[in-house]
Amino acid sequence: AQTVTQSQPEMSVQEAETVTLSCTYDTSESDYYLFWYKQPPSRQMILVIRQEAYKQQNATENRFSVNFQKAAKSFSLKISDSQLGDAAMYFCAYRSPGGLVKNDKIIFGKGTRLHILP
Amino acid sequence: EAGVVQSPRYKIIEKKQPVAFWCNPISGHNTLYWYRQNLGQGPELLIRYENEEAVDDSQLPKDRFSAERLKGVDSTLKIQPAELGDSAVYLCASSFDGTSGVWGEQYFGPGTRLTVT
Repeated sequence: AQTVTQSQPEMSVQEAETVTLSCTYDTSESDYYLFWYKQPPSRQMILVIRQEAYKQQNATENRFSVNFQKAAKSFSLKISDSQLGDAAMYFCAYRSPGGLVKNDKIIFGKGTRLHILP
Repeated sequence: EAGVVQSPRYKIIEKKQPVAFWCNPISGHNTLYWYRQNLGQGPELLIRYENEEAVDDSQLPKDRFSAERLKGVDSTLKIQPAELGDSAVYLCASSFDGTSGVWGEQYFGPGTRLTVT
């Protein structure tokens, strides 16, 4: 069965600094999707970044980038130039391939709470 | 454009009572998801609809939970009877998934916080 592990329940970073959130996963599938979601306090969960496993190039979205190590089954999120608005719970998620799969798996980690220190 | 709408936002009920949650997805989104998020945990998928068809309900506790999406648009999730352990935030999400095999981005609603006393 697929699993997603976030080993850091909480992290803190100084404003304008860089922080890396860790995520490891386990799967026997060769093709899949990985995601990082952000859930601010009392606000809706939003997608930060996604990575297709067949793509070797790491995904980037402005200040957010990932380090995808397929062989190690590791998918970390790097936030550069941290801002106060980045404070939130961050969830790593795994999903089976799309298409005609009727029972794909969507698995979320337990989350990492990120604090931004002014 | 309106996002995913959920109601109510908060609900407090006594155990053994029934409760229902409603979700209206983003217009044009064919896929709808219901998740349960316990305190300090990540969301857990309960059921996924493609249009009006429930294509994955393997994690839905069918003895007390039911869901419907009759016209392939809005959806209702029901619990009857509620138990203390059902206290959680119930999230609805929607996406547009085409036939290319690439999952569309999921957009989440604000959730319904259920407290069972």
